[in-house]
Amino acid sequence: GQQLNQSPQSMFIQEGEDVSMNCTSSSIFNTWLWYKQEPGEGPVLLIALYKAGELTSNGRLTAQFGITRKDSFLNISASIPSDVGIYFCAGLIAGGTSYGKLTFGQGTILTVHP
Amino acid sequence: DVKVTQSSRYLVKRTGEKVFLECVQDMDHENMFWYRQDPGLGLRLIYFSYDVKMKEKGDIPEGYSVSREKKERFSLILESASTNQTSMYLCASRTGANTGELFFGEGSRLTVL
Repeated sequence: GQQLNQSPQSMFIQEGEDVSMNCTSSSIFNTWLWYKQEPGEGPVLLIALYKAGELTSNGRLTAQFGITRKDSFLNISASIPSDVGIYFCAGLIAGGTSYGKLTFGQGTILTVHP
Repeated sequence: DVKVTQSSRYLVKRTGEKVFLECVQDMDHENMFWYRQDPGLGLRLIYFSYDVKMKEKGDIPEGYSVSREKKERFSLILESASTNQTSMYLCASRTGANTGELFFGEGSRLTVL
């Protein structure tokens, strides 16, 4: 099946620093999404991107849908301790034989030191 | 709020045992999913169901089966558990086929000895 390559695998940062992570694929997706999983919980959707080139913000989070539709990045500005968790990118192909199948990246583990 | 509830947070089973993981959602969602989460591998799709009694294999269906007799309930079955099935299992649901927003349960951590 399709694969998403997410990097970095882990990050250890100081509170207040900015964070950047990205996701690339050999396949084209209709939609890119970013999820966050906090310890002991299931992933929760942060941002969804629907058009190539789209840049979307959600508070301190900014994500972009790459022009080629094969990549996306997520930035977190001025990190705080509650940003700790695992961040997953995901790509969606709508319709066709894949029936709206979502493919996830390997995840980026974020640790924020106070 | 959408609620996806997984029946067991932690299970310990022995090799060869039959294991049932239950998932219930309360928002009348059509699609339901079972994922497996392993460090460094992300979330891998085991099976999904787009309607009652319908199921489709995901990327890693071997060793698993599923059942969806009612719209709100999706069960994952390990007919004969093996140690390589020790993992975190996540159930999710969504409203329809072409939306990327999945609602996840809290996960079931299975250990097979």
